[in-house]
Amino acid sequence: DADVTQTPRNRITKTGKRIMLECSQTKGHDRMYWYRQDPGLGLRLIYYSFDVKDINKGEISDGYSVSRQAQAKFSLSLESAIPNQTALYFCATSDFGTGGLIDYTGELFFGEGSRLTVL
Amino acid sequence: DAKTTQPNSMESNEEEPVHLPCNHSTISGTDYIHWYRQLPSQGPEYVIHGLTSNVNNRMASLAIAEDRKSSTLILHRATLRDAAVYYCILTRYGNKLVFGAGTILRVKS
Repeated sequence: DADVTQTPRNRITKTGKRIMLECSQTKGHDRMYWYRQDPGLGLRLIYYSFDVKDINKGEISDGYSVSRQAQAKFSLSLESAIPNQTALYFCATSDFGTGGLIDYTGELFFGEGSRLTVL
Repeated sequence: DAKTTQPNSMESNEEEPVHLPCNHSTISGTDYIHWYRQLPSQGPEYVIHGLTSNVNNRMASLAIAEDRKSSTLILHRATLRDAAVYYCILTRYGNKLVFGAGTILRVKS
């Protein structure tokens, strides 16, 4: 089983609908992230959470909201989906790196992606 | 966050070494240099990271310039499975990773 699981993997919806993408992880990491990827572009950070009580906006948070239900779960919501939110969405996790500056890795572990199409 | 500059694409022959450059002239003393790659239809995966010294692991080597304003990811023998988008990212200790557009690496057989 994957360490970072995203559901659904594919979703087609209509403009104006509310959509939730879910992410769960078994790595025991405190940090979780949502990224969006558009064709030919790199990943853009939507929201991130460094622990259950911490939620931060990323580069492109408008039109999105998140919920950190538990250490292992981080959900991304589109309250009213629009066509330009059609994209591939990735969830990722990382630990903080308790070894200090020298030992810090910050390695991100990604899910397999959720492809969302808004018609 | 400090920015990185990478070529849009590069091409390599199979079994030959590949040197993927990254410029980061505004890097600060506490910025780590990370490399990730994204294979087709997959999420990105970690390749290597470093702070000041050159680094080696089973996947690649990372050569960091003495002034840290540039770095090079080295794949010692490219295979067709190394065809991917490679991202060079700077991040500070405890901070988030922000991806750019990356370099598309094509490997010819």
